[in-house]
Amino acid sequence: RKEVEQDPGPFNVPEGATVAFNCTYSNSASQSFFWYRQDCRKEPKLLMSVYSSGNEDGRFTAQLNRASQYISLLIRDSKLSDSATYLCVVNNRDDKIIFGKGTRLHILP
Amino acid sequence: GAGVSQSPSNKVTEKGKDVELRCDPISGHTALYWYRQSLGQGLEFLIYFQGNSAPDKSGLPSDRFSAERTGGSVSTLTIQRTQQEDSAVYLCASSLALRGGWVFGPGTRLTVL
Repeated sequence: RKEVEQDPGPFNVPEGATVAFNCTYSNSASQSFFWYRQDCRKEPKLLMSVYSSGNEDGRFTAQLNRASQYISLLIRDSKLSDSATYLCVVNNRDDKIIFGKGTRLHILP
Repeated sequence: GAGVSQSPSNKVTEKGKDVELRCDPISGHTALYWYRQSLGQGLEFLIYFQGNSAPDKSGLPSDRFSAERTGGSVSTLTIQRTQQEDSAVYLCASSLALRGGWVFGPGTRLTVL
C-alpha cells in the first residue's frame, strides 16, 4: 500500500457544483495533514491544514478520519479558478512529509 | 526575503555536465526539502534537512545527486554527469516547525539535452 494515495482524476465538474475527494494514508502514526493546491507549471501552495475536528475555510471544508485513515476535501459552489491539482500531504513523527500524487480538478463553464 | 527563492529559474545543460541548483529558504526555517517533479507527474522526494541533524538522503536517485546546506540556511543540490532523465522541475520547500506548512520556492526547470 502506498503511503499516501489519491484518485488522480481528472474530476470534470460544472461550475457551481460541489466536489469532494479523499486521500488515504498508510501510517497510523501520522501526525498532521494538509491540502496543497498546485496550478499548472507552478509550485504547490498550502490550501489548508486538516484538523481532527474538521475545519472550514470559506467554500472549502477539510476533514480527517483517523479510524479509517483518510482525509477529505470538499469544495462547494465551485469556481473556474478552482481548477488545479490538489495534493494531499501527510506528516509523520519523524517530520518527513509525504505528498500524494494529486487529484486533478477541472471546473467546466 | 519574504519567500523561498531558487536559482536559476531555468537551466539548460548538455548531457554529462554538472549542475548546481540553489535554494534560499525563509529566514529562520529549520527544515528544508528538495523534491523534483517531472512533467505531469507527482512530487518525488529527494532529500530533507532538519536543523543540525544528519540529512535524510533516502530519496536521492543515484550517487550523482548530492546536496548540502551551509550554516543551516542556503542549500545547494548538485547533479553530476547529468542524464536526460534528470530533466524535471526541482522544487525546494522550507518550514519552521513540525506542524507548520511548507512553503515552496518557484522551482528550477532543468533541461538536459
